[in-house]
Amino acid sequence: QVQLVQPGADVEKPGASVKVSCKASGYTFNSYYMHWVRQAPGQGLEWMGLIDPSGGNTRYAQKLQDRVTMTRDTSTTTVYMELSSLRSEDTAIYYCARRYCTSIDCYFDYWGQGTLVTVSS
Amino acid sequence: AIQMTQSPSSLSASVGDRITITCRASQAIRNGLGWFQQKPGKAPKLLIYSASSLQSGVPSRFSGSGSGTDFTLTISSLQPEDFATYYCLQDYNYPWTFGQGTRVEIK
Repeated sequence: QVQLVQPGADVEKPGASVKVSCKASGYTFNSYYMHWVRQAPGQGLEWMGLIDPSGGNTRYAQKLQDRVTMTRDTSTTTVYMELSSLRSEDTAIYYCARRYCTSIDCYFDYWGQGTLVTVSS
Repeated sequence: AIQMTQSPSSLSASVGDRITITCRASQAIRNGLGWFQQKPGKAPKLLIYSASSLQSGVPSRFSGSGSGTDFTLTISSLQPEDFATYYCLQDYNYPWTFGQGTRVEIK
């Protein structure tokens, strides 16, 4: 069965970087894009960007373009989201989500359980 | 970026009620819209994709409609497990954008 497994939590200091992992299993890793979405405490959802695990191509939200990097390791079927120059506003739950595509439609069908990143001195 | 305006931000309803949530896009997005349900402490769950297609396993009391700029999520008969927060997402143009969310509470 499809699983996206993320670590539960991480604490980082302002100005540091965080690298969140999303280990995929149960399907052909290269076949489906992976997206990242975050949610600040008590707030709504924010789309961060995507990575094509096949070639490593990425697309980022303009707001985060200068600070976010998404990568993948095909040998371990894991995607990563690294966010640099952390500030308190980056405190949020970070989710990975698989983008499943048929010949007609694409949609998010599986989500990781989320990683709470806390930025605090 | 395309702005998604979702309304209402919250509503109170009773079990059995029919409710409607709307999302308006700042420009036409064809049918590039999905609806998600989120419960506290959980990841979002897809209900509807491509504006009106019901995700597998989602009860038929959920339906979506619309095209262009105006979209609607309808729950025909609210059940106790439907009390949650609902979000729309436009996936027509990058950057993808979510609506602000609608919290559905028990009256």
